[in-house]
Amino acid sequence: EVQLVESGGGLVQPGGSLRLSCVASGFTFSSYSMNWVRQAPGKGLEWVSYISSSSSTIYYADFVKGRFTISRDNAKNSVSLQMNSLRDEDTAVYFCSRDYLVAGVFDSWGQGALVTVSS
Amino acid sequence: ETVLTQSPATLSLSPGERATLSCRASQSVSNYLAWYQQKPGQAPRLLIYDASNRATGIPARFSGSGSGTDFTLTISSLEPEDFAVYYCQQRNSWPPFTFGPGTKVDIK
Repeated sequence: EVQLVESGGGLVQPGGSLRLSCVASGFTFSSYSMNWVRQAPGKGLEWVSYISSSSSTIYYADFVKGRFTISRDNAKNSVSLQMNSLRDEDTAVYFCSRDYLVAGVFDSWGQGALVTVSS
Repeated sequence: ETVLTQSPATLSLSPGERATLSCRASQSVSNYLAWYQQKPGQAPRLLIYDASNRATGIPARFSGSGSGTDFTLTISSLEPEDFAVYYCQQRNSWPPFTFGPGTKVDIK
């Protein structure tokens, strides 16, 4: 069974930093590209970042570019999102998701990690 | 960036009725469109990818159609567990991957 488990969420002040992690199990992690998708309270889904299976290709949404960094460790079956210079509008549940064979088909999702940016 | 719009915003139906949800793209996305279901407090679930392919384990009452800029998700006969929010998402022109604003299917 495919499982994705996020951790690292919490309350942080504006301008602060937080690191989210997602540990995968039940599949060959190193063969799949991964994404982070977020959802602000009561709002819709918003793609944040993509990393290919070998980390050779990385993309970010414009609204996080220069502030967030995605990375992965295939030996530890994990993908991370380092979030710096956090803003109030970054408050959201952050989901890690797996690409199904091709980029952009999110077939498996974690339960989400809540990030609250507030003073 | 490809903008997706969904209609209606809310669909009020009874169990057993047919649900028809629409997604329109600001430019052609070919057939690279997916549909997701999300229930309160849960992660989204992939229903349909590449316009008409059901994901693993998705019941046959869910079907998708369309190409180019106009797409439809049809639920042939609503079950109680189908009342949820549905999102469309494109992967034709990326980054970024973009989602529609969602259609809420609630009980009439």
